[in-house]
Amino acid sequence: QVTLKESGPVLVKPTETLTLTCTVSGFSLSNARMSVSWIRQPPGKALEWLAHIFSNDKKSYITSLKTRLTISKDTSKSQVVLTVTNMDPVDTATYYCARMSQLTGDGFDVWGQGTMVTVSP
Amino acid sequence: SYELTQPPSVSVSPGQTASITCSGDKLGDKYVCWYEQKPGQSPVVVIYEDNKRPSGIPERFSGSNSGNTATLTISGTQAMDEADYYCQAWDSSTVVFGGGTKLTVL
Repeated sequence: QVTLKESGPVLVKPTETLTLTCTVSGFSLSNARMSVSWIRQPPGKALEWLAHIFSNDKKSYITSLKTRLTISKDTSKSQVVLTVTNMDPVDTATYYCARMSQLTGDGFDVWGQGTMVTVSP
Repeated sequence: SYELTQPPSVSVSPGQTASITCSGDKLGDKYVCWYEQKPGQSPVVVIYEDNKRPSGIPERFSGSNSGNTATLTISGTQAMDEADYYCQAWDSSTVVFGGGTKLTVL
């Protein structure tokens, strides 16, 4: 069974750095057909893709937030980590990690449950 | 940056056909996925590669993509299909989501 689970702080203060961890099971981050994205969703708003990391460690980021985001992975720990610097209240959102599979046309076939992060003084 | 545009809302009567569109420049040259998200839940892929259904997704869900518009069609819409629907595509090594469409089954 393939699962992804997000973990990290529930509350962060403005200007702080957010670090989120996605722990995966049921597949390997070294599998060339699989890769992982981070996606967020502010309350009541649309999904917003943030970053992606491939099995060969190639990374891509949303242009508007590129300077604040870093995605990395530890294959041995089956973890994908996202850091977001200089957090602001507008970054309050549910943060999801999701697996992308070539078996489903590069769509996100498995999502984590999401973790809600609030930015407040 | 690339944008995908969806209508904010679509209404349909039970048993009728619902169509949700997603527009983007030369979208037909890309593969489109569609996700269903119910309140308090994570999104679920219902269509990938424009028109393929993952296992477990009912046959009433179908998709098409041509020109600048992709369409998600739900035939014989049921009350359980009331949800937010998002289209998604890749552009220049980045992922783009549409703004989402709230489907109401009246």
